[in-house]
Amino acid sequence: EVQLVESGGGLVQPGRSLRLSCAASGFTFDDYAMHWVRQAPGKGLEWVSGISWNSGSIGYADSVKGRFTISRDNAKNSLYLQMNSLRAEDTALYYCAKAPFGELLPYFDYWGQGTLVTVSS
Amino acid sequence: QSALTQPRSVSGSPGQSVTISCTGTSSDVGGYNYVSWYQQHPGKAPKLMIYDVSKRPSGVPDRFSGSKSGNTASLTISGLQAEDEADYYCCSYAGSYTVFGGGTKLTVL
Repeated sequence: EVQLVESGGGLVQPGRSLRLSCAASGFTFDDYAMHWVRQAPGKGLEWVSGISWNSGSIGYADSVKGRFTISRDNAKNSLYLQMNSLRAEDTALYYCAKAPFGELLPYFDYWGQGTLVTVSS
Repeated sequence: QSALTQPRSVSGSPGQSVTISCTGTSSDVGGYNYVSWYQQHPGKAPKLMIYDVSKRPSGVPDRFSGSKSGNTASLTISGLQAEDEADYYCCSYAGSYTVFGGGTKLTVL
């Protein structure tokens, strides 16, 4: 059974940093691209960032480019999102999502339950 | 990176068909056959319903179908059932990034 478990969310002040993690199990992690997708309270889905199976292709939404860094450790079956210079508008539930392919395409076939990030003073 | 345009809400009675549109540009929906659709029930994670414009993942009922014409993609749900009531999001490849639609709330009357 595919499982994606996010962690690392919490309350953080504007301008500070946070690192999210996603522990994956139930599939061959290094065969698939992975993504972070967020959802602000009561709002729609927003793609944040994605990384191909071998980290060869990486993409970011303009809203986080230069502030967030996605990475993966295939030996640890883990996905990460380093978030710097956080803003109030980054407040959201952050989902880790698995792609059905190794390439960076806009498909997400399994999702975690999300970790909540709240940016507030 | 503008969001794709979806109607805020659609509705239909059980057994009827509804279609949700998703309008983008030639840089996203119109430029690639990489469109997907997601269903999200309240408090739940999204579920992949359609990928590659019109393909259904295993386990998704064939009542759900996708299509595309020019810069607009569409999701059609036929034989509406009560459990189809949810939010639906389209998603498209746009070269170096991925973009979602704003979401459509489907109400089954």
